[in-house]
Amino acid sequence: KQEVTQIPAALSVPEGENLVLNCSFTDSAIYNLQWFRQDPGKGLTSLLLIQSSQREQTSGRLNASLDKSSGRSTLYIAASQPGDSATYLCAVNYGGSQGNLIFGKGTKLSVKP
Amino acid sequence: GAVVSQHPSWVICKSGTSVKIECRSLDFQATTMFWYRQFPKQSLMLMATSNEGSKATYEQGVEKDKFLINHASLTLSTLTVTSAHPEDSSFYICSAWLVMNTEAFFGQGTRLTVV
Repeated sequence: KQEVTQIPAALSVPEGENLVLNCSFTDSAIYNLQWFRQDPGKGLTSLLLIQSSQREQTSGRLNASLDKSSGRSTLYIAASQPGDSATYLCAVNYGGSQGNLIFGKGTKLSVKP
Repeated sequence: GAVVSQHPSWVICKSGTSVKIECRSLDFQATTMFWYRQFPKQSLMLMATSNEGSKATYEQGVEKDKFLINHASLTLSTLTVTSAHPEDSSFYICSAWLVMNTEAFFGQGTRLTVV
C-alpha cells in the first residue's frame, strides 16, 4: 500500500529559526512529489514540485530535497516568520498526469513572534 | 502558477437538499480534475477522478449516486452532493493538473455544512 507519512505532526518554533519538515513514502517508484501549504479553512498552495529525476528544488526561503532510494523528502524553511504558520502537506504522485496525489497528514507549524 | 477557482467557498444547506460545487481551471485546460474531501485535522482523501467527456472514476466507498460529478468542458468540473445529510458536512476541494510538468493546483475549497 502506498502511504505518505509526515513527521512531526506539529511544530512550534520562535521566529527566525531554521526548521526541517520530514516526509516519507513507502513506494519509491514516484513520478514526482509536491509540497503544499494550507491555511486554516483554505485551499492548498503549491510551494515546490520535485520531479523524480531531481534531488532538490528551491524557492526563496524554502528548499525541498528528494531521496527516492530512502523514500524521503524534506522541506527546509530558513529564517522562519510568523507568516509561515500553516499546515504543510507533502503529496506524492505515482501516476503522472493520469494519477492522483497521495497526501501525508501534514505538519502544523506555528512560528511565534 | 496556474489558477483553479472553486465556488462557492462555503455553503449551508438543509438536510435532504442538493448542493453543487464548481471547479474551474482559469488559465489552462484540464482534461482531468480530482475531487478530495477533508475532515477536520485529517489529510485529503481522494473521492473521484473527473474526466472530461466521460464518466468519473470513484474511489472505493464513495457513493457515485450521492456525489454526482460532471466534467462537461475542459475548464469546468462540478460536484453535486445529492440529498445531503449532516454527515456529508466536510471540506471539499478540487484540483487540476498542469500537464506540461504534472504539477497539481488546487481550488480554494468549499466548506459544506448540512443542518
